[in-house]
Amino acid sequence: GEDVEQSLFLSVREGDSSVINCTYTDSSSTYLYWYKQEPGAGLQLLTYIFSNMDMKQDQRLTVLLNKKDKHLSLRIADTQTGDSAIYFCAERKNQAGTALIFGKGTTLSVSS
Amino acid sequence: NAGVTQTPKFRILKIGQSMTLQCTQDMNHNYMYWYRQDPGMGLKLIYYSVGAGITDKGEVPNGYNVSRSTTEDFPLRLELAAPSQTSVYFCASGGNEQFFGPGTRLTVL
Repeated sequence: GEDVEQSLFLSVREGDSSVINCTYTDSSSTYLYWYKQEPGAGLQLLTYIFSNMDMKQDQRLTVLLNKKDKHLSLRIADTQTGDSAIYFCAERKNQAGTALIFGKGTTLSVSS
Repeated sequence: NAGVTQTPKFRILKIGQSMTLQCTQDMNHNYMYWYRQDPGMGLKLIYYSVGAGITDKGEVPNGYNVSRSTTEDFPLRLELAAPSQTSVYFCASGGNEQFFGPGTRLTVL
């Protein structure tokens, strides 16, 4: 199976919270990442978490890591229309020069 | 800092043509990477470099070549373009934090 799996779509209303989920398979992964991609643009690093942490908060973003279940989530509080984008989860393995393994991305659609 | 820059932004090639995608970073990163992104998919690693003069293959290297003569530059070469190489190509640099360029959209007809 795929190394990193994400649900493909999420639709929320403006002002609600969004939760994007991700599962990964390699328990030796050291860092886990969330990137945002707007249409026609490159990838913007939103946040990342080291594997010995359970949670990381950065303004409206909260990352939760359950290492036992190999589950990562990204919560966006007070979701805005500008948050509409594709969100990629990625893991960094201890190989290949620290290159990242990406999921297929979750398209977040925010309606007003 | 400009970060990671890529040229060109767009390119159309005919089957069998060759081209070089340019990538430059001004953050003095040792690690640099080339990924490709196909529609509806995540990014796949083509080649990477851990420093000037050192390169290695990633997951999907066939049909590509790279060089790393300086810390700043990491060009990707397509020798005989094929329709399967139609994709968006992203260059990235960094270690714990990887920063991506804006991408090159390549179409091979």
